[in-house]
Amino acid sequence: EVQLVESGGGLVQPGRSMKLSCAAAGFTFSSFYMAWVRQAPTKGLEWVASISTGGGNTYYRDSVKGRFTISRDNAKSILYLQMDSLRSEDTASFYCARWYNYFDYWGQGVMVTVSS
Amino acid sequence: DTVLTQSPALAVSPGERVTISCRASESVSTLMHWYQQKPGQQPKLLIYKASNLESGVPARFSASGSGTDFTFTIDPVEADDIATYYCHQSWNSNTFGAGTKLELK
Repeated sequence: EVQLVESGGGLVQPGRSMKLSCAAAGFTFSSFYMAWVRQAPTKGLEWVASISTGGGNTYYRDSVKGRFTISRDNAKSILYLQMDSLRSEDTASFYCARWYNYFDYWGQGVMVTVSS
Repeated sequence: DTVLTQSPALAVSPGERVTISCRASESVSTLMHWYQQKPGQQPKLLIYKASNLESGVPARFSASGSGTDFTFTIDPVEADDIATYYCHQSWNSNTFGAGTKLELK
């Protein structure tokens, strides 16, 4: 059974940093692209970033380029999202998702609140 | 960015047929996918690549389309289908529609 479990969320002040993790199980992690998708409270879904199987290629939405970094540790089957210079508009639930031209498995999500 | 425009909230009764539309601002070929999200839960993939039913998803769900115009159908609707439905294109990066909230009449 595919499992994706996010961790690392919480309350953070504007301008500070936070790192999210996503532990994967039940599939060959190193064979799949992975991604982060977020959802602001009462809003729709928004793709944030994706990473290739080996980690050599990364893709970001414009609003997070230069502030967020997606990475992965295939030996540990963990996906990361390093978020720097956080803004109030980054407040959202962040979902880790497996990518196969579409997002076929999703984690339960972790809430990130950016507020002073 | 490719903008996806979904039909607004819809009110339905169990047993009815409901169709949700999704129009792309430019062609996305058949790289359109559909998700269901219930309150407090993560999204769930229902349909991939325009018309392919994800494993384990009931055959009451179907979808079609190509290019810029896509439709998603539930027939018949069950009470458990009350949720928000999102279309998603992966032809030009990734964008989602604003969601269509299905409500009970």
